[in-house]
Amino acid sequence: AQSVTQLGSHVSVSEGALVLLRCNYSSSVPPYLFWYVQYPNQGLQLLLKYTSAATLVKGINGFEAEFKKSETSFHLTKPSAHMSDAAEYFCAVRPAGNTPLVFGKGTRLSVIA
Amino acid sequence: DSGVTQTPKHLITATGQRVTLRCSPRSGDLSVYWYQQSLDQGLQFLIQYYNGEERAKGNILERFSAQQFPDLHSELNLSSLELGDSALYFCASSVPGGGPLDSPLHFGNGTRLTVT
Repeated sequence: AQSVTQLGSHVSVSEGALVLLRCNYSSSVPPYLFWYVQYPNQGLQLLLKYTSAATLVKGINGFEAEFKKSETSFHLTKPSAHMSDAAEYFCAVRPAGNTPLVFGKGTRLSVIA
Repeated sequence: DSGVTQTPKHLITATGQRVTLRCSPRSGDLSVYWYQQSLDQGLQFLIQYYNGEERAKGNILERFSAQQFPDLHSELNLSSLELGDSALYFCASSVPGGGPLDSPLHFGNGTRLTVT
């Protein structure tokens, strides 16, 4: 079965520092990959998605992710963290075929002033 | 605002009881998905409906059932509730017709169920 693994359930960075949230997927075919963000007491919002058009994907709020097939990774980055980035981030994969998204367990990002 | 509406926002009930969670998808979306979010299990896919028909089933307990009505809203019914059913239940919808494989899901704000 297709799955995603998010390394680190909690990441803490200083304001202005680089944000790196890791996601690895298991897939025998090219997957469709997504990053979502969940703010407290809210639903999930789409940050960005990989659609095979480009390996570097730009999303909202200054986030981007790079698809690396050789490493089966889709890590999320942001050059400079803001306090408002503090939230839970989820990586998700849609296996080949029109199937529901499979989510990783999430990484909680804390931003320290 | 995702356009997906879930009611109620909070629900507190006792063990053994039955509850119904309601979801209205984005206008025009035909697919509705239900997910359960808990601290220990993360986001677990429960069930998907497409235009009134069950499309996919995930880790949904036999005590749980769902349906999608002709107006495309969906209800998730949870019965014989146990303490372990306490969780956030999310509904999501996707682009009309199910869309291409890279279509994202649009999530509601969830219903927080507390079973006491």
